[in-house]
Amino acid sequence: GAGVSQSPSNKVTEKGKDVELRCDPISGHTALYWYRQSLGQGLEFLIYFQGNSAPDKSGLPSDRFSAERTGGSVSTLTIQRTQQEDSAVYLCASRRTSGGTGELFFGEGSRLTVL
Amino acid sequence: AQSVTQLDSHVSVSEGTPVLLRCNYSSSYSPSLFWYVQHPNKGLQLLLKYTSAATLVKGINGFEAEFKKSETSFHLTKPSAHMSDAAEYFCVVREDNYGQNFVFGPGTRLSVLP
Repeated sequence: GAGVSQSPSNKVTEKGKDVELRCDPISGHTALYWYRQSLGQGLEFLIYFQGNSAPDKSGLPSDRFSAERTGGSVSTLTIQRTQQEDSAVYLCASRRTSGGTGELFFGEGSRLTVL
Repeated sequence: AQSVTQLDSHVSVSEGTPVLLRCNYSSSYSPSLFWYVQHPNKGLQLLLKYTSAATLVKGINGFEAEFKKSETSFHLTKPSAHMSDAAEYFCVVREDNYGQNFVFGPGTRLSVLP
C-alpha cells in the first residue's frame, strides 16, 4: 500500500507569511506524529495525535505553530507569521497502535525555507 | 525518563570494511529500540527493531544490532560497508510496547570511502 505522503515537498516563503504543511498517513494508522529537523540536526518532536484523544502538543515551540487532524486521517501543520528560524524539514510519521510492533513510518518531509 | 546517546557524530570507513555505530540508552522500563537510516533529502527508513524477542536483531541491507541490557547498549553493525550505506543513522528508544514517546538520538553520519 501507499506510504506516508507529505506535501508540499518544498516550500519557500517570505518572513511573516503563514504556511500549511499536509500529511496523509498510511491507511489504518491511528497515531500520527510531526517532527522538525533543522539543518544538520536530529529530530525535534512537535505534536502527536492518537485516534480521537486530545493531541500531545508539548513539543510545539511557540503559539505560532498549530496542527489539526481531521477525521482521524489527514493532518495539517500550520505555521503563522513565519520566521527565518522556522526554516527546516518537517517530517510526518504514522504508526499502528494495535498489532504489529508499532514502529514509525515516515514521509519524505516538507522542506520549508523562510526568506 | 528515556534518553539516547550516539557516541559518534561522524564515522568514516572504507568500502568493504566493517561498520560499528554505537548507541546507549537509558530507560526506566523495558524498552523497544529501533535504528533508522536517512539518506540525503529523504525521510527516515526503518533498518531494524528490538521488541523483547531475540537480542540479536537482523535488519535490511545486511545490518544487525545486539541488545545488551547489562550495558544498556544497542550498537549497529555491518560486516562490510557499501558506498550506498553512506547516510545518517538514528538510534531510537520507546519506553515500552504501549508508549507513545519515541526518543531519538542525535544521529551518526556514516561516510564510506572508496
